[in-house]
Amino acid sequence: EVQLVESGGGLVKPGGSLRLSCVVSGFTFSSYTMIWVRQAPGKGPEWVSSVSSMSVYIDYADSVKGRFTISRDNTQNSLYLQMNSLRAEDTAVYYCARVKDFDSSKTPFDYWGQGTLVTVSS
Amino acid sequence: EIMMTQTPATLSASPGERVTLSCRASQRINSDLAWYQQKPGQTPRLLIYDASTRATTIPARFSGSGSGTEFTLTISSLQSDDFAIYYCQQYFNWPSLWTFGQGTKVEIK
Repeated sequence: EVQLVESGGGLVKPGGSLRLSCVVSGFTFSSYTMIWVRQAPGKGPEWVSSVSSMSVYIDYADSVKGRFTISRDNTQNSLYLQMNSLRAEDTAVYYCARVKDFDSSKTPFDYWGQGTLVTVSS
Repeated sequence: EIMMTQTPATLSASPGERVTLSCRASQRINSDLAWYQQKPGQTPRLLIYDASTRATTIPARFSGSGSGTEFTLTISSLQSDDFAIYYCQQYFNWPSLWTFGQGTKVEIK
């Protein structure tokens, strides 16, 4: 069974930092591009960042570029998102997700974690 | 960035009805479009990809169509389990490879 479990969310002040983690099981993690998606309260999902299977290709949404850093550890089946200089508008549930077609980027997301809530507020 | 626009924002319907949801892309995306269903407190679930292919375990009452810029999701006979928010997503454009619409809420009439 495919599982993705996020952790690391919480309440942080504007300008602060958080590091999210996602531990996966049930598939060959090292073969798949992995994604961070966020969803603000009452809004649709927003792609945040992606990392290819061997970390060769990394991309960020313009809204987080320069502040967030995605990484992965294929030996630990883990995906990370380091979030710095957090703003109120970064408040959202953050999901890790897997692309449907391994190591492709022109593909939707077929498995999502349950998400971890990040709240940026003073 | 490719913008995805979904209409209507809210759709009220009764069980058993046929409903059609629309999604428009701001530029051509071939058939690189997916539909997701999200229920309150739950994770989005992939329903349709490549505009018209049902994902694993998705019932046949869900169908997708379209290409280019205009897409539809049809539920042939609405079930009580189908009341949810539906999002379209494009995966055509690099580097902002994935963008979602703002969603259509299907509610009980």
